[in-house]
Amino acid sequence: DTAVSQTPKYLVTQMGNDKSIKCEQNLGHDTMYWYKQDSKKFLKIMFSYNNKELIINETVPNRFSPKSPDKAHLNLHINSLELGDSAVYFCASSQRTGRPDTQYFGPGTRLTVL
Amino acid sequence: AQSVTQPDIHITVSEGASLELRCNYSYGATPYLFWYVQSPGQGLQLLLKYFSGDTLVQGIKGFEAEFKRSQSSFNLRKPSVHWSDAAEYFCATGGGIKLTFGTGTQLKVEL
Repeated sequence: DTAVSQTPKYLVTQMGNDKSIKCEQNLGHDTMYWYKQDSKKFLKIMFSYNNKELIINETVPNRFSPKSPDKAHLNLHINSLELGDSAVYFCASSQRTGRPDTQYFGPGTRLTVL
Repeated sequence: AQSVTQPDIHITVSEGASLELRCNYSYGATPYLFWYVQSPGQGLQLLLKYFSGDTLVQGIKGFEAEFKRSQSSFNLRKPSVHWSDAAEYFCATGGGIKLTFGTGTQLKVEL
């Protein structure tokens, strides 16, 4: 009965490969997010979707492409992986109420690019 | 642009001692403020939040925070720290639906 789940938990891959991370929430929330946490623990938002519509797209290389097949799922596909993409990626969700609401985070996916 | 600053990168306290983690915000209007905790290898868990009203906010695990507009601060406190409180603590702010996080404070607890 995990609220926000991500797969895989760990991902080790070579430079230049393409990989995907999946996220699912069973909270009935309308809004989902992807955050990147670098090696210094700094958290930065990458994308946000509200009911399958992209509403936040920070300055992220276009090698990163989020996809939301329905409002309970938000996947992140990364093309041509680079060393600098190594980080922990967190998915989160919230019930959009027109103001910041509690964001519920998944356990994270640790991506290591070799 | 809205932002938060956490001046302390690391803090070490003895178990049973009191704790205060500092957070300063920068935002013109009334900010929405949050404290999250990240245990090693885990995701982030909300401790408490402030939107409006009573400036002293109670959260989970015995934590509280006080919003002080005059000091632009939202410091997190706990009267008696437990060894299990060792973690990374993040202050965050948001005026819309986007959260902006501070750089975090790592708490170590000495037994």
